[in-house]
Amino acid sequence: ILNVEQSPQSLHVQEGDSTNFTCSFPSSNFYALHWYRWETAKSPEALFVMTLNGDEKKKGRISATLNTKEGYSYLYIKGSQPEDSATYLCASASGGSYIPTFGRGTSLIVHP
Amino acid sequence: GAGVSQSPSNKVTEKGKDVELRCDPISGHTALYWYRQSLGQGLEFLIYFQGNSAPDKSGLPSDRFSAERTGGSVSTLTIQRTEQRDSAMYRCASSFRGTGELFFGEGSRLTVL
Repeated sequence: ILNVEQSPQSLHVQEGDSTNFTCSFPSSNFYALHWYRWETAKSPEALFVMTLNGDEKKKGRISATLNTKEGYSYLYIKGSQPEDSATYLCASASGGSYIPTFGRGTSLIVHP
Repeated sequence: GAGVSQSPSNKVTEKGKDVELRCDPISGHTALYWYRQSLGQGLEFLIYFQGNSAPDKSGLPSDRFSAERTGGSVSTLTIQRTEQRDSAMYRCASSFRGTGELFFGEGSRLTVL
């Protein structure tokens, strides 16, 4: 069973702050690393899927990096807005399995 | 349909009864996943279907749980002799290929009294 860890568990920031979260995962037989945004009472929605070591992806104010050799990924949010408030999930597919294993998520609350 | 469809959205049942949860994935998606989200827990993998290959059932918690996928499309998750600990949100997701992004349905909330 894979162990995908996310930190911090929760985060409160002020509007305009930049922030980042960490996802660590087993690095052996790596296939893909996923980031999802999950708003309360909705379903998770994909932000990025990264497959190559050194990958960097960007969507608006949100970006992510991937280090498959050491088994970690960072998600960055620049200039946080209240609408960024959500739980951010990462999921790793590795160890010979295509099945994404999810971390517990980082809950972000952006205060106006 | 445009997205992954799950039914029922809510199911309340009595302990010991069987339940069926349905998932209709996005057309053309070959991979289908079932996850469970219990209270205060993350998304726990249950079962994975990929094309015509044998499903990966490694996440099913007991032999009371089973799933099938007919014609490579619709999937049904069946829980026999339900127990209160089965109460959870059951989420289905599909993807175009094994390592692609997952598209989630709205989930089926199961409550076992």
